[in-house]
Amino acid sequence: QSALTQPASVSGSPGQSITISCTGTSGDVGSYNLVSWYQQHPGKAPKLMIYEDTKRPSGVSNRFSGSKSGNTASLTISGLQVEDEADYYCCSYAGSGIVVFGGGTNLAVL
Amino acid sequence: QVQLVQSGAEVEKPGASVKVSCKASGYTFTRYSMHWLRQAPGQRLEWMGWINAGNGKTKFSQKSQGRVAFTTDTSASTGYMELSSLRSEDTAVYYCALYDISGYSAFDIWGQGTMVTVSS
Repeated sequence: QSALTQPASVSGSPGQSITISCTGTSGDVGSYNLVSWYQQHPGKAPKLMIYEDTKRPSGVSNRFSGSKSGNTASLTISGLQVEDEADYYCCSYAGSGIVVFGGGTNLAVL
Repeated sequence: QVQLVQSGAEVEKPGASVKVSCKASGYTFTRYSMHWLRQAPGQRLEWMGWINAGNGKTKFSQKSQGRVAFTTDTSASTGYMELSSLRSEDTAVYYCALYDISGYSAFDIWGQGTMVTVSS
């Protein structure tokens, strides 16, 4: 049950696009179409942004998109806005009722 | 609407136990498993496990197994997470969450979090 690997930090300017990667293994990310992404502002509970690798829940901006190739999933945020500054976590089902999270990525909008 | 409301902050001494509650509303409590997660200060989210609110079956992460217990009170639509033999590294915000209650295969409903501080 090792954590998924994410970059510790990424940054971008308002209006730009950024991508956050999330690398797992053939036992989790690579085996199931069940990667989800969460946005977390300081002192707040996480908020679901992407589910089933690429799908957006109702109410989430279409500036957020997800993709996956092999054992690596990615979250792309286009048209960066100041309010996007937050921590982002990926999560994957790993079989047998087990879930694993990434280490988190801090996004700075400069 | 679906909501999870957790109990308030706790301060405990090393070696003691703590029990955090999570009161659910807005859905049939026994139809969904309740997951528990935690986040130490400045650290990543860590999934601890789940309890099937319908039959009481539990699943734990490797790290959580042994000191953690999940229970439910179906009459009160409330889930509980009890952590024993507390250590300083258990200081964290503890969250309850629901998976796929809104039709999204993910943690789509979260409690507000409960801060547990372990300090002598």
